[in-house]
Amino acid sequence: SQTIHQWPATLVQPVGSPLSLECTVEGTSNPNLYWYRQAAGRGLQLLFYSVGIGQISSEVPQNLSASRPQDRQFILSSKKLLLSDSGFYLCAWSLGVHQPQHFGDGTRLSIL
Amino acid sequence: SQQGEEDPQALSIQEGENATMNCSYKTSINNLQWYRQNSGRGLVHLILIRSNEREKHSGRLRVTLDTSKKSSSLLITASRAADTASYFCATADNAGGTSYGKLTFGQGTILTVHP
Repeated sequence: SQTIHQWPATLVQPVGSPLSLECTVEGTSNPNLYWYRQAAGRGLQLLFYSVGIGQISSEVPQNLSASRPQDRQFILSSKKLLLSDSGFYLCAWSLGVHQPQHFGDGTRLSIL
Repeated sequence: SQQGEEDPQALSIQEGENATMNCSYKTSINNLQWYRQNSGRGLVHLILIRSNEREKHSGRLRVTLDTSKKSSSLLITASRAADTASYFCATADNAGGTSYGKLTFGQGTILTVHP
């Protein structure tokens, strides 16, 4: 069966520091991959999605970037974190267009 | 503005009662999905209903879709304390096949089921 792993579960970082969040999927090939951010008590905002290795689409302009160095690995990065980058970051995968998405357990990022 | 908007924002009921949550959206869709999120966790997919379907069941869940009114409802029957969670609707649009499965989520309904 397919599984998705996200780490770390929680992270506290100072303003201006770099960021790297990792997501890996097991048990499937060539999944669509997604990064979302969820503000407290709010819905999800799609940040990036990828349909293949090296193919990244950005949904909103921001201080973050994403990369897909391997088929089942999706990385969210920042060179310098801002206070506004705080939030709950969720990675998800799907088998394709118009299919259900399956989420990791998220990373809670706090910027001090 | 959000594509999917849930109503009510919060719902508090007793165990055994039914819970109904509504979702409205604005554009043409390929399908609408409902997800559940327990506090501090990721989302779990519950059910997907396609634009040519009107009703779908899964266990104690019943979802309806009215494309003419651009609305959907999620009914949870005989609720349990374990159903306490946030519930989100998400729409997949019909953007000419280039949407890559992008979903637009609503703000969610917080359901509390009291034992």
